[in-house]
Amino acid sequence: GENVEQHPSTLSVQEGDSAVIKCTYSDSASNYFPWYKQELGKRPQLIIDIRSNVGEKKDQRIAVTLNKTAKHFSLHITETQPEDSAVYFCAAYSTLTFGKGTMLLVSP
Amino acid sequence: DAGVIQSPRHEVTEMGQEVTLRCKPISGHDYLFWYRQTMMRGLELLIYFNNNVPIDDSGMPEDRFSAKMPNASFSTLKIQPSEPRDSAVYFCASSLGQGNQPQHFGDGTRLSIL
Repeated sequence: GENVEQHPSTLSVQEGDSAVIKCTYSDSASNYFPWYKQELGKRPQLIIDIRSNVGEKKDQRIAVTLNKTAKHFSLHITETQPEDSAVYFCAAYSTLTFGKGTMLLVSP
Repeated sequence: DAGVIQSPRHEVTEMGQEVTLRCKPISGHDYLFWYRQTMMRGLELLIYFNNNVPIDDSGMPEDRFSAKMPNASFSTLKIQPSEPRDSAVYFCASSLGQGNQPQHFGDGTRLSIL
């Protein structure tokens, strides 16, 4: 089955800095890679996703890149704001498998 | 659309009791997923349904757990008998299409077994 590794487990940045979260996957058949944001006590919510026929996708301050050869994908958040503080989960689909999550803390 | 609706939001019960969690998926979605979230194990897929039929229940931890989907708008996850280690947040999610489509999560049920 699919195995998804996510790093780092925690990430602290200053407001305005960029944040990068990286995930690797094992199944070369995986073709869909969503990212979810989960605020404390709330449900996971999809923030961006990418499919295997695309190398990069951007939506305002967030972007995702995919390297199929190396089997890794990354979430990039620019100009971070305190409201970006949350746990971020990556996932890979051949069978949908989630990473363990990254707690992002953005300090004012 | 109201989104995925789960009930109850919180459940506190004593060990050995039966627990039933409920989920109403988004209308028109043909896939429904049950997840368990804990600090130690993260977000785990327990079971998922397609058109009300269970497709993969390999994530169900043991026979004490069972799930049903009697119709397209309702699913239950039952734990009988419950144990303290079942304490977790249980999420239901639905999607139009399988895992390669966005999943929409409910607000979850926070379960505490004393």
